[in-house]
Amino acid sequence: SQKIEQNSEALNIQEGKTATLTCNYTNYSPAYLQWYRQDPGRGPVFLLLIRENEKEKRKERLKVTFDTTLKQSLFHITASQPADSATYLCALRRNQGGKLIFGQGTELSVKP
Amino acid sequence: DVKVTQSSRYLVKRTGEKVFLECVQDMDHENMFWYRQDPGLGLRLIYFSYDVKMKEKGDIPEGYSVSREKKERFSLILESASTNQTSMYLCASSLTGLGEKLFFGSGTQLSVL
Repeated sequence: SQKIEQNSEALNIQEGKTATLTCNYTNYSPAYLQWYRQDPGRGPVFLLLIRENEKEKRKERLKVTFDTTLKQSLFHITASQPADSATYLCALRRNQGGKLIFGQGTELSVKP
Repeated sequence: DVKVTQSSRYLVKRTGEKVFLECVQDMDHENMFWYRQDPGLGLRLIYFSYDVKMKEKGDIPEGYSVSREKKERFSLILESASTNQTSMYLCASSLTGLGEKLFFGSGTQLSVL
């Protein structure tokens, strides 16, 4: 069956370090992948989109990579801050079908 | 910025009640979606609509229906609420295509007792 997997365990890091979150998928031929941030009790907020023909995308302190051979995306937050603490979701759009499929999310906690 | 507004942040209903969840977006988006979010299960698509009066089933439509009479409004209806429908319900909209970035509302936490 089709699956998207994110680290289920919370990621705890020290302020100033780089946080790296992983999104793995199986049985997809994705057109693109998106990352969202979700704060407790709120809806997800779109952060970045990376297409299948792009290896890397950056936005300020955020960097996303997309490896279609490994079927994996990595999401990096450099110089992390306590305000970056949230749950981060990845989502894939398949080439056929069109719907976005979400991962379960990884909770990030940045300690001062 | 796009604003997606869900009518209630918290709702408590009784088993068997008919429940209406309302969602309004203010940016003339064609597509609207209803998801539910449960711990350990992530976001699951219930229904979506790509035009007025059009609707498509998502991955878990059983026990739900939807209505889209106007472009800006998408309603989720629980015909006869059950305890397993206790969840966070999230409405979203997008401008073009089915997979473009989604703009989410703040969610409605529904408890069915």
